[in-house]
Amino acid sequence: AQKITQTQPGMFVQEKEAVTLDCTYDTSDPSYGLFWYKQPSSGEMIFLIYQGSYDQQNATEGRYSLNFQKARKSANLVISASQLGDSAMYFCAMREGLWNFNKFYFGSGTKLNVKP
Amino acid sequence: DGGITQSPKYLFRKEGQNVTLSCEQNLNHDAMYWYRQDPGQGLRLIYYSQIVNDFQKGDIAEGYSVSREKKESFPLTVTSAQKNPTAFYLCASCQKSGQGRGEQFFGPGTRLTVL
Repeated sequence: AQKITQTQPGMFVQEKEAVTLDCTYDTSDPSYGLFWYKQPSSGEMIFLIYQGSYDQQNATEGRYSLNFQKARKSANLVISASQLGDSAMYFCAMREGLWNFNKFYFGSGTKLNVKP
Repeated sequence: DGGITQSPKYLFRKEGQNVTLSCEQNLNHDAMYWYRQDPGQGLRLIYYSQIVNDFQKGDIAEGYSVSREKKESFPLTVTSAQKNPTAFYLCASCQKSGQGRGEQFFGPGTRLTVL
């Protein structure tokens, strides 16, 4: 079974609007971390936001927020007030366990295009 | 500035040749990782190392080899046994998550093309 599933290969959003990128995960470990990364066309991977499995509140970082629904095993990324520079690939990732150098599992990504 | 460097940025190789990709970090991170990314795809783990002189195979280790002789360096060798090596290779490192979020920091990547 896939550890991380991103079902939207591509998304379009109008500039200044909000957009939600979906991510579901699969783990039986009660301790895990969820991450979102942005990959512009240059190829670098940029860390955006983190949610720990025991965190009580949804994570927020500037225009990024994570809609964490533990029972549904979903960790959707919400980008508010989209900008042209947000056009990129977005990857959801998970690490099982919170205290070790464990493997990260990455989803297949969602390509976001922001229209002017 | 702390970070991860990868060299070269672009690499061309003839079939049958081994080639080594460099990855260096000055973040004092213990763990380092190598990923392969094919066009339009996600990242697949090749090898990872949690400590000097030790490393583990990832999901697609066949045809690759690594070494970890120094904490800051984790070179990847793409051998002639790798059937389809043309891809984008990313190196990453992270610190133990008990000291923070434990996110992986990535280098800029090396784009390998086999001619």
